[in-house]
Amino acid sequence: GQQVMQIPQYQHVQEGEDFTTYCNSSTTLSNIQWYKQRPGGHPVFLIQLVKSGEVKKQKRLTFQFGEAKKNSSLHITATQTTDVGTYFCAGRIVGNEKLTFGTGTRLTIIP
Amino acid sequence: NAGVTQTPKFQVLKTGQSMTLQCAQDMNHNSMYWYRQDPGMGLRLIYYSASEGTTDKGEVPNGYNVSRLNKREFSLRLESAAPSQTSVYFCASSADRGLRQPQHFGDGTRLSIL
Repeated sequence: GQQVMQIPQYQHVQEGEDFTTYCNSSTTLSNIQWYKQRPGGHPVFLIQLVKSGEVKKQKRLTFQFGEAKKNSSLHITATQTTDVGTYFCAGRIVGNEKLTFGTGTRLTIIP
Repeated sequence: NAGVTQTPKFQVLKTGQSMTLQCAQDMNHNSMYWYRQDPGMGLRLIYYSASEGTTDKGEVPNGYNVSRLNKREFSLRLESAAPSQTSVYFCASSADRGLRQPQHFGDGTRLSIL
């Protein structure tokens, strides 16, 4: 079964508010990737985190990898309508060749 | 520079029919993948091909077969379609099997089985 879980499943925010999605694994991850999927579109790679405690920023987006490499988060500051979509984490469980995608968090923006 | 191209984009089948979903990439990537996406389930790996000439099962392989025809092309076949296979199917590719490379996705095939 799926070993990488994401919360929340849905998030509705007012434009300008912040947004955070969390990704949790029951086992240690060797690396984690984040993807964004616009409505009706396909997943698009955003970033990869590899090191324990790593933090990376892309403009208003901040990505963190937990110290134990079992969890990760994506935080968006001051959301805009262009942020609408579903955000997926995808992690490689140590000892497993395959990338496991989380269930995704669907973000909608209220103008 | 097309990236990953999937055909067809939409398909409606009757239960028991067969069909092949086509995928081709022009990025000279070694690894290719087939996923299905269902509401609330995220992306689930059906099959993958780490390199030309090899294929392996993913999380949900039952009812599917794949062929890595050459380095560019990776097809997914449904031999006897079932309503449970109604889904959006995505093909993806990455530079190598190290899984530290990003995956590039096609636009998807929206498949309905009646």
